[in-house]
Amino acid sequence: AQSVTQPDIHITVSEGASLELRCNYSYGATPYLFWYVQSPGQGLQLLLKYFSGDTLVQGIKGFEAEFKRSQSSFNLRKPSVHWSDAAEYFCAVVSAGGTSYGKLTFGQGTILTVHP
Amino acid sequence: GAVVSQHPSRVICKSGTSVKIECRSLDFQATTMFWYRQFPKQSLMLMATSNEGSKATYEQGVEKDKFLINHASLTLSTLTVTSAHPEDSSFYICSATHPENYGYTFGSGTRLTVV
Repeated sequence: AQSVTQPDIHITVSEGASLELRCNYSYGATPYLFWYVQSPGQGLQLLLKYFSGDTLVQGIKGFEAEFKRSQSSFNLRKPSVHWSDAAEYFCAVVSAGGTSYGKLTFGQGTILTVHP
Repeated sequence: GAVVSQHPSRVICKSGTSVKIECRSLDFQATTMFWYRQFPKQSLMLMATSNEGSKATYEQGVEKDKFLINHASLTLSTLTVTSAHPEDSSFYICSATHPENYGYTFGSGTRLTVV
């Protein structure tokens, strides 16, 4: 069964600093990978997704992520964090076949706090 | 494009009553919608997959008689929490798959409080 691990439950950075949120997945075939952001009491907004092709994916709000098959990772990065980036971030993988076809599996989430 | 509207955003109900939550795809047709439940400070747990015109597929451990899902049209899926109890209090979120970009668009969620 597919799974997603986000090792960091909570990360704190200063505004203007760089950011990297880690995501590791376990999946037999080529995964479809996503990063979502959730503000308190809100739904999820898609930041970026990887299906195939270029392993460095650009998303909205200045975020990017790199797919590394050898490390089973899909880490999210941003060169300079803004106070408005404070939120919870979820990495997710979708099954492309079998009985779990089309179902998103989410990581545990990483809460980002930004200090001024 | 690809907007999903979820209503209501908040609802408080008494124990034993039923509550209906609506999930609408506003600018696309969604043959498949998903319902998730999220406990405080936890991740999203898939409850069921809703397919237009057919019965929903429930995840293991989800009571299908308590969480009734209806997907009667290509733009609307509903989740009804029947005979609600305080332990059903949670944040419920729906999502729909966009047929063109294989994206998952999420509603803004419904905070259900059962008193």
